[in-house]
Amino acid sequence: GAVVSQHPSWVICKSGTSVKIECRSLDFQATTMFWYRQFPKQSLMLMATSNEGSKATYEQGVEKDKFLINHASLTLSTLTVTSAHPEDSSFYICSASGTGVNEQFFGPGTRLTVL
Amino acid sequence: DAKTTQPTSMDCAEGRAANLPCNHSTISGNEYVYWYRQIHSQGPQYIIHGLKNNETNEMASLIITEDRKSSTLILPHATLRDTAVYYCIAMISGGSNYKLTFGKGTLLTVNP
Repeated sequence: GAVVSQHPSWVICKSGTSVKIECRSLDFQATTMFWYRQFPKQSLMLMATSNEGSKATYEQGVEKDKFLINHASLTLSTLTVTSAHPEDSSFYICSASGTGVNEQFFGPGTRLTVL
Repeated sequence: DAKTTQPTSMDCAEGRAANLPCNHSTISGNEYVYWYRQIHSQGPQYIIHGLKNNETNEMASLIITEDRKSSTLILPHATLRDTAVYYCIAMISGGSNYKLTFGKGTLLTVNP
């Protein structure tokens, strides 16, 4: 299957700082990328959907000014957690799908810990 | 998207078949049944999907009842590495409404 990578795999930051997470599709063009968040012992929750070259569509309750998503190319999307706080500590996972592809291919996830 | 219901957890002996059930009684005619799994602290992995007919690939088989109100994912020879949370998702495939809604899934534990 297609390969999606995320960087970094884990990050620890101080409260109030911003953190950028990258999601890359390595061997296919991802027309759509998705960002999920997963708290311990809970399921994945979709945060936003982004199409290459367009503004992201955020799910209800997700602050678009806090979670900035950029999908400037067909192989890269970034999620920036601005002014991070301890409650933003979570496992962030991206996925990608290409044109005409039924499956979403998931990245390995990024563990964010805000102190 | 139709809501799905899965058992919270299941156990299976290594080498035996693991049969994971899923109820989706409100599924609509154009919704597919997708199965993903998530091994601890990793991203989900696609397993299989189907609409009406039974499907098989190198990972698993998907059996969908004739009325499409339930399905079963079969791992024919479970290994310890198959221990994971398995998610059954009903979703319209393609188009602009292409979002996976993850429920709580089934924690499958494969025992030696």
